[in-house]
Amino acid sequence: DTAVSQTPKYLVTQMGNDKSIKCEQNLGHDTMYWYKQDSKKFLKIMFSYNNKELIINETVPNRFSPKSPDKAHLNLHINSLELGDSAVYFCASSKGLAGGPDTQYFGPGTRLTVL
Amino acid sequence: AQSVTQLGSHVSVSEGALVLLRCNYSSSVPPYLFWYVQYPNQGLQLLLKYTSAATLVKGINGFEAEFKKSETSFHLTKPSAHMSDAAEYFCAVRGLKNQGGKLIFGQGTELSVKP
Repeated sequence: DTAVSQTPKYLVTQMGNDKSIKCEQNLGHDTMYWYKQDSKKFLKIMFSYNNKELIINETVPNRFSPKSPDKAHLNLHINSLELGDSAVYFCASSKGLAGGPDTQYFGPGTRLTVL
Repeated sequence: AQSVTQLGSHVSVSEGALVLLRCNYSSSVPPYLFWYVQYPNQGLQLLLKYTSAATLVKGINGFEAEFKKSETSFHLTKPSAHMSDAAEYFCAVRGLKNQGGKLIFGQGTELSVKP
């Protein structure tokens, strides 16, 4: 069973469109994250959710709206897509939240290409 | 502020040779440090983590890392490289308690293994 899954794996779309990426974890974790990996493979946190509540929003444009319907799911909706949004988006989850040594488990990633 | 720096964006070794990937950290508190591996078109997989229990940490696939506070380093080593070790490697530090549990990543090091 996949611990952290994301759909779709690939997403190709036109500028200005709206798209969503879904993430699910079956680990029973309380905390979920979205990370963005750019073309130089640099990874940066976007959002952190704990028990369905937004904990951090790392200066992400408000075109990005995460939604957590329950603890096991954290979806990412992106409005008015721009060329610069092209990247690989990773969902992750961990048991705990506050600065501890808990391992973060990553999904396989969604490669978004905006044309 | 928490940060990590990986020295060398690309490292090339021969099969059977020692692998050494360098990571230096900056932290205002005792850090939790992680090494992740990313194979092409896949998500991140935890290799090992430092949780202050022991300075020499053994991980999966024969990798280990040593935490050296005096040098603020957490270098990753493997005695004998295999072709299957070719991948991108990321060092990361856990953010502070008020930073939503995020991981702060280094720039990544691409490891190539020559036959």
